[in-house]
Amino acid sequence: NAGVTQTPKFQVLKTGQSMTLQCAQDMNHEYMSWYRQDPGMGLRLIHYSVGAGITDQGEVPNGYNVSRSTTEDFPLRLLSAAPSQTSVYFCASSSPDGGSSYNSPLHFGNGTRLTVT
Amino acid sequence: AQTVTQSQPEMSVQEAETVTLSCTYDTSESDYYLFWYKQPPSRQMILVIRQEAYKQQNATENRFSVNFQKAAKSFSLKISDSQLGDAAMYFCAYRSAPGRDDKIIFGKGTRLHILP
Repeated sequence: NAGVTQTPKFQVLKTGQSMTLQCAQDMNHEYMSWYRQDPGMGLRLIHYSVGAGITDQGEVPNGYNVSRSTTEDFPLRLLSAAPSQTSVYFCASSSPDGGSSYNSPLHFGNGTRLTVT
Repeated sequence: AQTVTQSQPEMSVQEAETVTLSCTYDTSESDYYLFWYKQPPSRQMILVIRQEAYKQQNATENRFSVNFQKAAKSFSLKISDSQLGDAAMYFCAYRSAPGRDDKIIFGKGTRLHILP
């Protein structure tokens, strides 16, 4: 199994540009989420999804959009990049049975380092 | 809303010694799940240990154990016989029980240094 795959690994954008960070998992996980990691701030939740067709906002959703058309994919869109969005982005997923597996851990991708100039 | 607080931005411990990392959280829920994750310099996030709030017994995984104090809303991580490979950023995380807000919230992390 590939687990959680994030692409690209690195990206440099100019202010105002848009882009999509890709996230795919092959574990049939219903729960998927996006975090950003900044020095001294830990991991902050951007958006999450409990299943295909369902998304919800996390702690820091402004400037980001998500959609969940399939169980496998959960792309994160930056509509108009800003320097404040310079960060490392992590996608994570969790096991399919939320009812009996809520103690199941998040499986993380390897992260995308995004720089906005 | 739930919050997770890690009050120690950095800690150091001598190799082979024991260290405890602190985590407190705020919630009005009675059922939830708590996790500790490790992030080494490779940036990969690795699960260290987990605890269900309804279980009174503290979780243990080899050299890693927790001290879960539900009333105090405290979830500290104890690392025994510290090894050089334990050097990493450690994050505490909170997850609500099924049927509630399904956000998984992390603390700001504690950077652990292992001194040879």
